[in-house]
Amino acid sequence: GAVVSQHPSRVICKSGTSVKIECRSLDFQATTMFWYRQFPKQSLMLMATSNEGSKATYEQGVEKDKFLINHASLTLSTLTVTSAHPEDSSFYICSAAGQTQHGYTFGSGTRLTVV
Amino acid sequence: GIQVEQSPPDLILQEGANSTLRCNFSDSVNNLQWFHQNPWGQLINLFYIPSGTKQNGRLSATTVATERYSLLYISSSQTTDSGVYFCAVERGFGNEKLTFGTGTRLTIIP
Repeated sequence: GAVVSQHPSRVICKSGTSVKIECRSLDFQATTMFWYRQFPKQSLMLMATSNEGSKATYEQGVEKDKFLINHASLTLSTLTVTSAHPEDSSFYICSAAGQTQHGYTFGSGTRLTVV
Repeated sequence: GIQVEQSPPDLILQEGANSTLRCNFSDSVNNLQWFHQNPWGQLINLFYIPSGTKQNGRLSATTVATERYSLLYISSSQTTDSGVYFCAVERGFGNEKLTFGTGTRLTIIP
């Protein structure tokens, strides 16, 4: 159990366009999902906490108008990178809490390249 | 916020060797997980271990919560064990911030 699906796995977009990344919990309901960002050879940094039916909570320094998060249902959260620029190129990964004894489960990640 | 430090940052071993990875954290936690990030970026959940000892095949982990550290043991290393190992901690019980450590990059040479 506790499977998280993330799509797309890889995306290349032109500078100035917007990109949507989906994160789905396949076999459980997730009232809270988390979005992380990882630069090459670095650790994962939490960007925001996505709450079903309410506004996301963003970490300090993360632009909420650039990284739009929507958690419309108990199984789906989306991250939209708006007006993407080359510096937004990164690996984005989502997670959700499954059963307590297993901790958090992560999606497979999305590698975004902005050209 | 809580600080999570891992050591060593890099480790290169011959196939068949054993290794110990360490995770130190600066405050009490209610959740600690070890992950293996493969070359494609996928985070594989190895252990959920806020305290005590667990074993899964060639891997085992021990968390001493009172002393704020956890250890991951890998025995008889294989080339497929290569990748980055992260520990991550959470202060609350679910739906709270999971803070990742600095990571250990393990390279197993045939």
